[in-house]
Amino acid sequence: ELKVEQNPLFLSMQEGKNYTIYCNYSTTSDRLYWYRQDPGKSLESLFVLLSNGAVKQEGRLMASLDTKARLSTLHITAAVHDLSATYFCAVDNQLIWGAGTKLIIKP
Amino acid sequence: GAGVSQSPSNKVTEKGKDVELRCDPISGHTALYWYRQSLGQGLEFLIYFQGNSAPDKSGLPSDRFSAERTGGSVSTLTIQRTQQEDSAVYLCASSLAARGGRADTQYFGPGTRLTVL
Repeated sequence: ELKVEQNPLFLSMQEGKNYTIYCNYSTTSDRLYWYRQDPGKSLESLFVLLSNGAVKQEGRLMASLDTKARLSTLHITAAVHDLSATYFCAVDNQLIWGAGTKLIIKP
Repeated sequence: GAGVSQSPSNKVTEKGKDVELRCDPISGHTALYWYRQSLGQGLEFLIYFQGNSAPDKSGLPSDRFSAERTGGSVSTLTIQRTQQEDSAVYLCASSLAARGGRADTQYFGPGTRLTVL
């Protein structure tokens, strides 16, 4: 069965701290997608990682992909309240999605 | 330009009734996707269109669910004889052509919140 597992599913952290969200997947996939969903809103694309070793950064978020380990990470540096959202990863042409990581950043 | 739009934004219906949900993709996007998201859950893939054809219907949960797309643009998701477990947010997304089977980034609509009483 094709599965995408995100870890943790819920994270509460203080502003200024660093943390990493993990996305493990069971299928071979050379592309991985990260999306953000604000409460009550739809999804917004963050990153598309296209190959093994790919790293992309925007602001305080950095995503990486290890296709051999079937693992992607989303690293948050010096978190700020505005990054509070649910983060999803997806593989296999975005047909298989993780359950999401709900991130709450406290001022 | 305009993004993906969906209508209605909210739909409350009685068990056993049929409902139609509409999606207007971004102009020029040939790929269109339907997903379902239950409260606090991830996305469940339902169906994918490339143009007017649906190469992948594997996610449709039962034969009560159907979808069509006309003119390579608007898509309608129909749920017949709705059940309470159909209550969820139904999201539509579109993307540029899936070249060589590889999908581009998807742009999501705001969703339709369906409540079946």
